[in-house]
Amino acid sequence: SQQGEEDPQALSIQEGENATMNCSYKTSINNLQWYRQNSGRGLVHLILIRSNEREKHSGRLRVTLDTSKKSSSLLITASRAADTASYFCATDASPKAAGNKLTFGGGTRVLVKP
Amino acid sequence: ETGVTQTPRHLVMGMTNKKSLKCEQHLGHNAMYWYKQSAKKPLELMFVYNFKEQTENNSVPSRFSPECPNSSHLFLHLHTLQPEDSALYLCASSQSRNSYEQYFGPGTRLTVT
Repeated sequence: SQQGEEDPQALSIQEGENATMNCSYKTSINNLQWYRQNSGRGLVHLILIRSNEREKHSGRLRVTLDTSKKSSSLLITASRAADTASYFCATDASPKAAGNKLTFGGGTRVLVKP
Repeated sequence: ETGVTQTPRHLVMGMTNKKSLKCEQHLGHNAMYWYKQSAKKPLELMFVYNFKEQTENNSVPSRFSPECPNSSHLFLHLHTLQPEDSALYLCASSQSRNSYEQYFGPGTRLTVT
């Protein structure tokens, strides 16, 4: 099965609320990345957290990484209608010389209602 | 705009056609990627190129043929495709091989009839 799996698969919240989604993976990683995709469009990189980091912030985004549990979470605070999108975690477990191979999870579809 | 462009944005082709997808990045990156995104399946890595050399072929059928003439351009040549190849094909680039975020193009929506 895939390296990264997101939970929940879908999330519906009111504008202003926080949205939390989780990602679990199976093998040791170099880093874990979160991406956003608006319907039928390309992915946009949100944040990268390295295996030796535990928490990272970027604007309204907060990412945590627990390598002992092989899991990560993405928190979006004070959500806006424009945050409606699918969110994917991607893990990079490539050997150092092998290239940047990302393995994506199935994504969490987030709907922020005005 | 992410600095990665893809053409065409939409493509409908028959199973006997030959077509090509084009990707261009204006970011000065050294690595480029092709991904396939099908409905109800996770994003699948197809090919990786680093400094114009193919470093990864993720067991992709030979009816998909990539070409990377330089670090800024990446092509995916298509021939005798099957209906199950209908998907969104995404191109991405990154600064170097390891531990960097990838920048994605808008994708080509391919329909095989």
